[in-house]
Amino acid sequence: AQSVTQLDSHVSVSEGTPVLLRCNYSSSYSPSLFWYVQHPNKGLQLLLKYTSAATLVKGINGFEAEFKKSETSFHLTKPSAHMSDAAEYFCVVSSGGSQGNLIFGKGTKLSVKP
Amino acid sequence: DGGITQSPKYLFRKEGQNVTLSCEQNLNHDAMYWYRQDPGQGLRLIYYSQIVNDFQKGDIAEGYSVSREKKESFPLTVTSAQKNPTAFYLCASSIEGGRTDTQYFGPGTRLTVL
Repeated sequence: AQSVTQLDSHVSVSEGTPVLLRCNYSSSYSPSLFWYVQHPNKGLQLLLKYTSAATLVKGINGFEAEFKKSETSFHLTKPSAHMSDAAEYFCVVSSGGSQGNLIFGKGTKLSVKP
Repeated sequence: DGGITQSPKYLFRKEGQNVTLSCEQNLNHDAMYWYRQDPGQGLRLIYYSQIVNDFQKGDIAEGYSVSREKKESFPLTVTSAQKNPTAFYLCASSIEGGRTDTQYFGPGTRLTVL
């Protein structure tokens, strides 16, 4: 069965410092992995996705994530945080089979201090 | 503008009443999904549909019902059998419902039971 674990429920950084949001996954096959961002009371927006091509995936707003099969990780990073990055971030794995059902982590809330 | 619309944004319901949440998409996507979001829980799949006139239960379908009479529309009914319906409900769609497909999300409906 597929599962995903976000290792931090809350991360706080200062503006201009790096961001690291950690995600580990479990999958019995080659997974599709996604990072979504959600601002308060809004829908989810796709940041980036991995689907077995390049292991370093670049997304929108300067975010990127690296797929590491040996560590079963898909951590999200950004070199320099901006105030507008404050939001909740979800790591997601596709559930497998021919269907695209997604399994969501519980989310990491990112706070950015001025 | 192409996208997914959900209405209403906020919905209040008395206990014992059924209520229907609207989801419409003009992306020409085959697959549509309903998720429920509770604080600290991530998103959980209620129902999904990969084609008109067909839909499948997700992980937490009890107390909910759906229909898919048109490709563009996937309404969700929260019935009086749902024991704890207060939550944020998100609708999504994807091109075919395959496991590498990106799901695009609507802005959500916040349901409160009084």
